Amino acid sequence: GENVEQHPSTLSVQEGDSAVIKCTYSDSASNYFPWYKQELGKRPQLIIDIRSNVGEKKDQRIAVTLNKTAKHFSLHITETQPEDSAVYFCAARKKTSYDKVIFGPGTSLSVIP
Amino acid sequence: DAGVIQSPRHEVTEMGQEVTLRCKPISGHNSLFWYRQTMMRGLELLIYFNNNVPIDDSGMPEDRFSAKMPNASFSTLKIQPSEPRDSAVYFCASALGETDTQYFGPGTRLTVL
Repeated sequence: GENVEQHPSTLSVQEGDSAVIKCTYSDSASNYFPWYKQELGKRPQLIIDIRSNVGEKKDQRIAVTLNKTAKHFSLHITETQPEDSAVYFCAARKKTSYDKVIFGPGTSLSVIP
Repeated sequence: DAGVIQSPRHEVTEMGQEVTLRCKPISGHNSLFWYRQTMMRGLELLIYFNNNVPIDDSGMPEDRFSAKMPNASFSTLKIQPSEPRDSAVYFCASALGETDTQYFGPGTRLTVL
């Protein structure tokens, strides 16, 4: 089955700097890669996703890149702000009849003012 | 749209008691997921349903856990008997199959004394 690894497990950056979180997956059939943000005490919420037919996707300060050959994808946050502090989860899913998403272990991002 | 609704939001019970967690998915979604989140184990998928049918319950820890989805608008996760190690935040999520995005409920924080 699919296995998703995520690095680093914790990340501290100065406000205004960029943050990069990297994930790898094992199943080459996976073709959907969402990223979730979970603030302390809150629910995970989708912030961006990418499908295997594109290599990069941007949404304001957030971007995700996908390298299908290497089976890895990354989240990039530019101009970080204190409100970006949260746990970020990457995930991967195969296109099957059923929607089972496999989550990575999470990265705790702290943005220092 | 009200989003995914979970009840109760907090539950404190004593070891050995039965616990029932409830979830109402977003109207029109045909996939429903139950997750457990702890510091030690992260976000774990327990079971998911597609069109009210359980598809994969391989994440259910043991026979003390059971889940049902009697109709498209309601699901329950039951623990009987509960144990202190079951203490966690339990999330329900739903998805409209083709779009793949899972929307999480606010979670139920369960404490078993």
